[in-house]
Amino acid sequence: GESVGLHLPTLSVQEGDNSIINCAYSNSASDYFIWYKQESGKGPQFIIDIRSNMDKRQGQRVTVLLNKTVKHLSLQIAATQPGDSAVYFCAEYPGDMLTFGGGTRLMVKP
Amino acid sequence: DTGVSQDPRHKITKRGQNVTFRCDPISEHNRLYWYRQTLGQGPEFLTYFQNEAQLEKSRLLSDRFSAERPKGSFSTLEIQRTEQGDSAMYLCASSLRTGRSDTQYFGPGTRLTVL
Repeated sequence: GESVGLHLPTLSVQEGDNSIINCAYSNSASDYFIWYKQESGKGPQFIIDIRSNMDKRQGQRVTVLLNKTVKHLSLQIAATQPGDSAVYFCAEYPGDMLTFGGGTRLMVKP
Repeated sequence: DTGVSQDPRHKITKRGQNVTFRCDPISEHNRLYWYRQTLGQGPEFLTYFQNEAQLEKSRLLSDRFSAERPKGSFSTLEIQRTEQGDSAMYLCASSLRTGRSDTQYFGPGTRLTVL
C-alpha cells in the first residue's frame, strides 16, 4: 500500500504500552476538536472528539485531553496494539471547516 | 456498507487531460466536503456543500477545478487540463450538521497521478 506521511514525526511504542500523541492547535476561537486515524492508502477515520467546554473525554481505550490555556490537545491510547499503527491527525473546528494539524506516525513494536 | 464511498480509487492520467471523481456521502448527511491531501500533510479543505448549495471554496480551488452536488446527494469533482501538481489524494467527507455538531466522516479517497 501507499504510505501517508513519509516525513512525519514518529512515535514508536512497545505493544501493550500506553501512547500519548500531542497536538498544538492554532485558533483560540476553535470550539470543537477531532482526532483522526489514517492508515496507509485509506481515508482518515474518526476516533474521538471533544468540545471546548470539556477538558477530558474518554472512549474505548482512548482519551482526549484539551488544554485551552496553551492550545494543546493530546490523544492517549491505552494498551497500544499493532492495529493502532497509523498516522494520527488532530483537527480543529473554528467555524465552518476543519483545519488539520500535522500528523504523527505511531509505530507499534511487537 | 453505509459509509462514504468514492470512485475511482485510483486514476492515472496524462497532463492536460480532464478527470472527474465521484463521492457518495452517508445517506441523509446534509454536508459534503472535498479535501486534497499530499504526502506528509494533513487534508486541505477545497470546498463544501450544504445540500445542493456550494457554500465555500478555498483559494486552493483554481478555475480548473469545479464541484457539483446537483441533487444534494452525490457530488462530483472535475479537474480540467490536469497538471503534475494536481497529483494528490482527493478525499470526500460528509456530515450531518445539527446545531454546532459537524463530525465529518471520510471516504477512502481517490489517488490521482498526473504523468
